[in-house]
Amino acid sequence: AQSVAQPEDQVNVAEGNPLTVKCTYSVSGNPYLFWYVQYPNRGLQFLLKYITGDNLVKGSYGFEAEFNKSQTSFHLKKPSALVSDSALYFCAVRDIKKLSFGAGTTVTVRA
Amino acid sequence: EPEVTQTPSHQVTQMGQEVILRCVPISNHLYFYWYRQILGQKVEFLVSFYNNEISEKSEIFDDQFSVERPDGSNFTLKIRSTKLEDSAMYFCASRLDSPLHFGNGTRLTVT
Repeated sequence: AQSVAQPEDQVNVAEGNPLTVKCTYSVSGNPYLFWYVQYPNRGLQFLLKYITGDNLVKGSYGFEAEFNKSQTSFHLKKPSALVSDSALYFCAVRDIKKLSFGAGTTVTVRA
Repeated sequence: EPEVTQTPSHQVTQMGQEVILRCVPISNHLYFYWYRQILGQKVEFLVSFYNNEISEKSEIFDDQFSVERPDGSNFTLKIRSTKLEDSAMYFCASRLDSPLHFGNGTRLTVT
């Protein structure tokens, strides 16, 4: 079965500092990996995906993620965090018939 | 940009009552999904739907749940006899290829 794990429930950073949200995956075959963000009382918004190709994937709002096959990781990064980046972030893996989400990481960016 | 729309945004129902949650997926999408999220926690897969039939369902999606695409534009989730533990945010999603596009959800409160 495909699965992802987000080892940190919460990440706190100061505005302007780098932000990293961790995700590791467990799949059979090639992984299809995604990051979504959820703001309060809203649905999940797609940030970026890795299907194949370059290990560094660039997405929306200045976010990027690095696919690392040897470490089975797909960490989300932003070089300089904004207060408006405070939200709940989900890593996800897709098999043929569904998307499976990690438990989520709450990011708080303080001014 | 086209969106997945869900109605109502909030539904309150009494335990034992039937409830229907409605979704209008993006018009050219072919794959449809329902997910739920309890109290801002993990996003749980319920069911996927393709070519007018269920393609996969989770253990949560028992006989009390059903889905329909009655008219080629709407996609509904019915819960026949609601329980207190059905209280959650229910998200509809659709896709053509990838990624999944989510609606803003229906908050279901069972009293």
